Amino acid sequence: DAKTTQPNSMESNEEEPVHLPCNHSTISGTDYIHWYRQLPSQGPEYVIHGLTSNVNNRMASLAIAEDRKSSTLILHRATLRDAAVYYCILSSGANNLFFGTGTRLTVIP
Amino acid sequence: DVKVTQSSRYLVKRTGEKVFLECVQDMDHENMFWYRQDPGLGLRLIYFSYDVKMKEKGDIPEGYSVSREKKERFSLILESASTNQTSMYLCASSLPGYNEKLFFGSGTQLSVL
Repeated sequence: DAKTTQPNSMESNEEEPVHLPCNHSTISGTDYIHWYRQLPSQGPEYVIHGLTSNVNNRMASLAIAEDRKSSTLILHRATLRDAAVYYCILSSGANNLFFGTGTRLTVIP
Repeated sequence: DVKVTQSSRYLVKRTGEKVFLECVQDMDHENMFWYRQDPGLGLRLIYFSYDVKMKEKGDIPEGYSVSREKKERFSLILESASTNQTSMYLCASSLPGYNEKLFFGSGTQLSVL
């Protein structure tokens, strides 16, 4: 499975946008980009996924670079409840996703 | 909403004991998974199942086995627990097909003394 690289941690002020980066330089043409997040004392939860085009849903937006070697998860207005570990994952089609160590997002009131 | 329920939130066992971790999902999902999560290592896949009585090894199956007798239930078994199996165990389920969302339970923190 192709791997991803994310910063270990990031901070954001409450009510400001957050851009969480992910590098995946070895991505293949059929790999989807998935994002999950894990709130304290909970299991991971799905956030968003995409292949080539940018994607939006009620939780976040996913911006995918034209060469697909990087992507950015955008939280439009961070709240304290968004404090979590965010995982960027590549899927080659199977459902057994490889979770790395993710980015720990701290939201400052 | 899909609900994935893990039988225990915290579990303490002794070395050498046989341990059963139970997971039940209520959305008729074909796929079920067991992961363990350790600090600095992220989530690692232990076993997964695409159907009843079917199982596939994940990345770290050694020391574990699984059972899927009914579609809604996926059990992780530690035949003889060891201290290096102290970890957070997470169960997940999904619909069949590629790139389906995984739905996770809240996890079981297992301590083996």
